Amino acid sequence: AQTVTQSQPEMSVQEAETVTLSCTYDTSENNYYLFWYKQPPSRQMILVIRQEAYKQQNATENRFSVNFQKAAKSFSLKISDSQLGDTAMYFCAFMKLHTGNQFYFGTGTSLTVIP
Amino acid sequence: DTAVSQTPKYLVTQMGNDKSIKCEQNLGHDTMYWYKQDSKKFLKIMFSYNNKELIINETVPNRFSPKSPDKAHLNLHINSLELGDSAVYFCASSQRGANYNEQFFGPGTRLTVL
Repeated sequence: AQTVTQSQPEMSVQEAETVTLSCTYDTSENNYYLFWYKQPPSRQMILVIRQEAYKQQNATENRFSVNFQKAAKSFSLKISDSQLGDTAMYFCAFMKLHTGNQFYFGTGTSLTVIP
Repeated sequence: DTAVSQTPKYLVTQMGNDKSIKCEQNLGHDTMYWYKQDSKKFLKIMFSYNNKELIINETVPNRFSPKSPDKAHLNLHINSLELGDSAVYFCASSQRGANYNEQFFGPGTRLTVL
């Protein structure tokens, strides 16, 4: 079974600063997808960023970027210029192909952006 | 326009009752899912349907029965509700083979069993 570990249950960052959330996973698969989802207090799950394992280039989406280290099985999320609206739970997710697109989620990191 | 919708958003009920949660997606996706998020925010897959066929069925009590009348709907029926069923239930959908196989989530249904 796949496992996804987020070792930081809670983090905080000053507005406009940069923060990095860590995620590691365990798999024997070679091709898979990785995702970061955000869950604000509204409870809605929102996709932040995604990465295909066979792509070496790290994904970026505006202020969000990842550091994907396939050999180390690490997939950290960097948030630059943090904004108050970034306050949320952040979930790392792993999906291997050809298994019904089943997601395995980490336990989440609660991020608070401090004004 | 809402992509994945769930009803109701809140459900409070007594132990032993039977209840249903409905999910609909208007994205044209062929795969739908149910997740349970417990009080510690841990998200776990319960079921997955592809074109109305069950493809993932994790270790879930058989009091939980998903029903997919068509590929745009996946309802969750729960019999004999127990205190431990209290959680937030999320429906999601995706399209197999589409870019990244991204899953789109509904707003969640908070179930409270008294």
